[in-house]
Amino acid sequence: DQQVKQNSPSLSVQEGRISILNCDYTNSMFDYFLWYKKYPAEGPTFLISISSIKDKNEDGRFTVFLNKSAKHLSLHIVPSQPGDSAVYFCAASSEGGATNKLIFGTGTLLAVQP
Amino acid sequence: DVKVTQSSRYLVKRTGEKVFLECVQDMDHENMFWYRQDPGLGLRLIYFSYDVKMKEKGDIPEGYSVSREKKERFSLILESASTNQTSMYLCASSLWGYNEQFFGPGTRLTVL
Repeated sequence: DQQVKQNSPSLSVQEGRISILNCDYTNSMFDYFLWYKKYPAEGPTFLISISSIKDKNEDGRFTVFLNKSAKHLSLHIVPSQPGDSAVYFCAASSEGGATNKLIFGTGTLLAVQP
Repeated sequence: DVKVTQSSRYLVKRTGEKVFLECVQDMDHENMFWYRQDPGLGLRLIYFSYDVKMKEKGDIPEGYSVSREKKERFSLILESASTNQTSMYLCASSLWGYNEQFFGPGTRLTVL
């Protein structure tokens, strides 16, 4: 049972335009969400996160929006650059316990066309 | 800067071999994790550890075991490698109580 879903396996965007990557979750106990970016043959790197007490978090070109009632989050990249081409994973966590396990989505491959 | 290193970037093994994947982190993190990444399946947790000599099963532990004898080192063991264990293996670590995990570069394992 996939608790974190990224329904778009791939997305293609023109350089300079907005990229919107979506993520849905089913477990209402999730209260912290993260986005990771992964280039081929490299490990994922942390991009941005959001706590469930917020509905928006911004860091430079990257903004994450959280809609708790819809159990939906999205990552906006504005403006998109060719170097943003990578696989993006969303992940969710529920606080409590020392380990803070993350549940990852299946990823969305973003291609930014020059 | 947190650094997580993995012993090999690419590994080719034969069916039935015992395989050791090593992971070392240099930031004194309590938590360490092993994932595998497969196309269309995302990252799936195999095992994790929250302290030396402590381990917990993740979502897909079958066919794997782990060892954590020192805080900085977390090993993944494939007791008898099979072709369906061909995958990208990723190690990660995190500080106790924090959600952000730091990943190593991954090991691409091929089992023939």
